[in-house]
Amino acid sequence: DAGVTQSPTHLIKTRGQHVTLRCSPISGHKSVSWYQQVLGQGPQFIFQYYEKEERGRGNFPDRFSARQFPNYSSELNVNALLLGDSALYLCASSLSSTQYFGPGTRLTVL
Amino acid sequence: SQQGEEDPQALSIQEGENATMNCSYKTSINNLQWYRQNSGRGLVHLILIRSNEREKHSGRLRVTLDTSKKSSSLLITASRAADTASYFCAMAYSGAGSYQLTFGKGTKLSVIP
Repeated sequence: DAGVTQSPTHLIKTRGQHVTLRCSPISGHKSVSWYQQVLGQGPQFIFQYYEKEERGRGNFPDRFSARQFPNYSSELNVNALLLGDSALYLCASSLSSTQYFGPGTRLTVL
Repeated sequence: SQQGEEDPQALSIQEGENATMNCSYKTSINNLQWYRQNSGRGLVHLILIRSNEREKHSGRLRVTLDTSKKSSSLLITASRAADTASYFCAMAYSGAGSYQLTFGKGTKLSVIP
């Protein structure tokens, strides 16, 4: 079975632009979570979606938004990009307690 | 803050030696998980220990959990060069329909052949 997939792998944007990151969960997993990992730090929780509803939100500004589609795939949107948004964005899917992570999208904001 | 702390931040050992990493947290958890990350890529789940468990084994991995001290340790026995990676503990919190992981800053393990 395929694992969690994310696209794109790498992305370069300039300050003020908007970005959309995509995630496809493991087949059968209904929960998708997003994490931001800044270089040298552990991942930080952004959102959790379950059955297309937001179930949890971390301490991130309103510039960050997400949604989950009927096929359980998900998008993370970030508006008005700042230099500090440069990070590895990780998506994870789960069926129960264990979260399975995708390879991440490396976002660089110039 | 719910963030965990890992100790040490970096660890360098010879192949064949054991590696021990520690994790402490601040508030009661649902479970605690350990992950491995190679070269800033995706995280690989290693082991999950529930709050009512004290010790768990998986292959060369041994995890302990002391909820009274709010701490956990990961032991990798007979280390190999391929174990070189960053290791993170993640505390699982659930409530109000939400389930999220709070990660520590990680321990960078280098295994020298």
